[in-house]
Amino acid sequence: GAVVSQHPSRVICKSGTSVKIECRSLDFQATTMFWYRQFPKQSLMLMATSNEGSKATYEQGVEKDKFLINHASLTLSTLTVTSAHPEDSSFYICSARPGTGGGKLFFGSGTQLSVL
Amino acid sequence: GDSVTQMEGPVTLSEEAFLTINCTYTATGYPSLFWYVQYPGEGLQLLLKATKADDKGSNKGFEATYRKETTSFHLEKGSVQVSDSAVYFCALSEVSGNQFYFGTGTSLTVIP
Repeated sequence: GAVVSQHPSRVICKSGTSVKIECRSLDFQATTMFWYRQFPKQSLMLMATSNEGSKATYEQGVEKDKFLINHASLTLSTLTVTSAHPEDSSFYICSARPGTGGGKLFFGSGTQLSVL
Repeated sequence: GDSVTQMEGPVTLSEEAFLTINCTYTATGYPSLFWYVQYPGEGLQLLLKATKADDKGSNKGFEATYRKETTSFHLEKGSVQVSDSAVYFCALSEVSGNQFYFGTGTSLTVIP
């Protein structure tokens, strides 16, 4: 089946640094990818919808200048957490859907970000 | 707005025990309902889904029935195995299919 690769799986960084997380669809093209965040004991929450070749659509309350999303190709979307702070420590996970229709959604394995 | 409330874990069961993980939802429209599973070190995988009221989704011995009258989509399995140890997420998606609402996840550990 379709595979979505997310990297890195775990990252620890100092406060004030930037962290980039990659999400790749390995065997299909994805016009749209999604980024989610999960704080401990809370739900997975959609942060933004990443559209290939255009600006990402952010959910209410998500700072677009802090969470930079780039979807430069049909198989790669990146999420950069800029000037990370301890409150950004969370589990980030991406997903992608083949093509442009409403088909099955495939998820990456997630990235656990810890900001010291 | 739409939301999903899922039974909190962790849940620990002995092999061959019966499993129920409760999930209820709130939605303005007629959503599709899903159960996703995340095995250790892997991504979320679709376990089963149901797209309309009274539909039953099933896969790998797991079942869930879309109950509109009780706004529920409880996950059940008659006899769990050690290999079922994972985190299970209930989710809903409206007709457009782009916005998913997830529960908090329930960690299941099955001991031999």
